[in-house]
Amino acid sequence: SAVISQKPSRDICQRGTSLTIQCQVDSQVTMMFWYRQQPGQSLTLIATANQGSEATYESGFVIDKFPISRPNLTFSTLTVSNMSPEDSSIYLCSVPRGQGEQYFGPGTRLTVT
Amino acid sequence: EDQVTQSPEALRLQEGESSSLNCSYTVSGLRGLFWYRQDPGKGPEFLFTLYSAGEEKEKERLKATLTKKESFLHITAPKPEDSATYLCAVQPDGGSQGNLIFGKGTKLSVKP
Repeated sequence: SAVISQKPSRDICQRGTSLTIQCQVDSQVTMMFWYRQQPGQSLTLIATANQGSEATYESGFVIDKFPISRPNLTFSTLTVSNMSPEDSSIYLCSVPRGQGEQYFGPGTRLTVT
Repeated sequence: EDQVTQSPEALRLQEGESSSLNCSYTVSGLRGLFWYRQDPGKGPEFLFTLYSAGEEKEKERLKATLTKKESFLHITAPKPEDSATYLCAVQPDGGSQGNLIFGKGTKLSVKP
């Protein structure tokens, strides 16, 4: 299994500000995924981060709100921009392994006040 | 629309009391079904992948089964350390590789 770390593990932010979340993997991977887990809701895919190309966003998520960087094969960042209380959530990165399964990082718990 | 429904939302068991968690799914085509365990404050931990109806996988006290419409996670003689939220996810045919459709999970509590 992959070892995945995320920074920060948690943060409390003011509305209107932005937070950048980092995801580091211990091996090179072509794709990295960013998910959101809102309270009481299912994990939902935000976007796929591909090295060397623009991220691919799922329906309902836009680049202006969630810009993503993928500078190399072991690292990615997700920025949550112009935050509102509705952005309070756990944000997780994951990487694919084997035949479709994914391994997840520990998550970043974001609270927006 | 692809969707996953898990039941019950919460389950409280006594240590040693076996039970099953249900995952019902609706997809146009199934590439795979996945079970995860999530402890509070942590990311989901991968447990099993099932690909076709009739398939079964086992790991310690857990056994996952799959039919064309649902999957079960059977827990035999659970221990308090099995307490966690269990998530089910499906990967539809034709979707992007990363797009796992998750259920909301079943929160399992096992009391000694």
